[in-house]
Amino acid sequence: GQSLEQPSEVTAVEGAIVQINCTYQTSGFYGLSWYQQHDGGAPTFLSYNALDGLEETGRFSSFLSRSDSYGYLLLQELQMKDSASYFCAGLNTGFQKLVFGTGTRLLVSP
Amino acid sequence: EAEVAQSPRYKITEKSQAVAFWCDPISGHATLYWYRQILGQGPELLVQFQDESVVDDSQLPKDRFSAERLKGVDSTLKIQPAELGDSAMYLCASSLDPPSHEQYFGPGTRLTVT
Repeated sequence: GQSLEQPSEVTAVEGAIVQINCTYQTSGFYGLSWYQQHDGGAPTFLSYNALDGLEETGRFSSFLSRSDSYGYLLLQELQMKDSASYFCAGLNTGFQKLVFGTGTRLLVSP
Repeated sequence: EAEVAQSPRYKITEKSQAVAFWCDPISGHATLYWYRQILGQGPELLVQFQDESVVDDSQLPKDRFSAERLKGVDSTLKIQPAELGDSAMYLCASSLDPPSHEQYFGPGTRLTVT
């Protein structure tokens, strides 16, 4: 099976850069996705890494290192609206299902 | 923009009662997922459909939960009888064939069992 660990909470100020880490233990790992979820809202897809390295999508970037079983989400030029929970999710090679991490609550202050 | 629809948005029921949730995925999405999310945790997959077939229901408590997607489009998740521990958000998601790392989630049904 899979398990993905994240810090429970991260705080930062507007305009700053923040990194949210994800370490995973898995068999049959295929890739790593990141999702954002505002309080009371649905998860929305942010980014996906199938290969090692950095993927950039606007203010958000995601990184994967298979050799270290580690990935991170990098948020730049933080805005108040970025306050939300962020989940990494591992895609396995079996049924290609997503297993979500423990989640990180990001609090952005003025 | 196409969205995943779910109903009801909120449901309060007494323990031992039956409850059902409905999901209509984005048109053309062959894969449909039901997740349960407990407050403060990540979504947990309950069941995954490919068209009308169940691909994975390994985490579905089959003694009380059932799910169907008879025509390979919309889907129903049922709990009977409901227990206090079933209180959670039930999320439906869909993705294009094959099963995907990019899933589109509906607004969810918030279930409270009293």
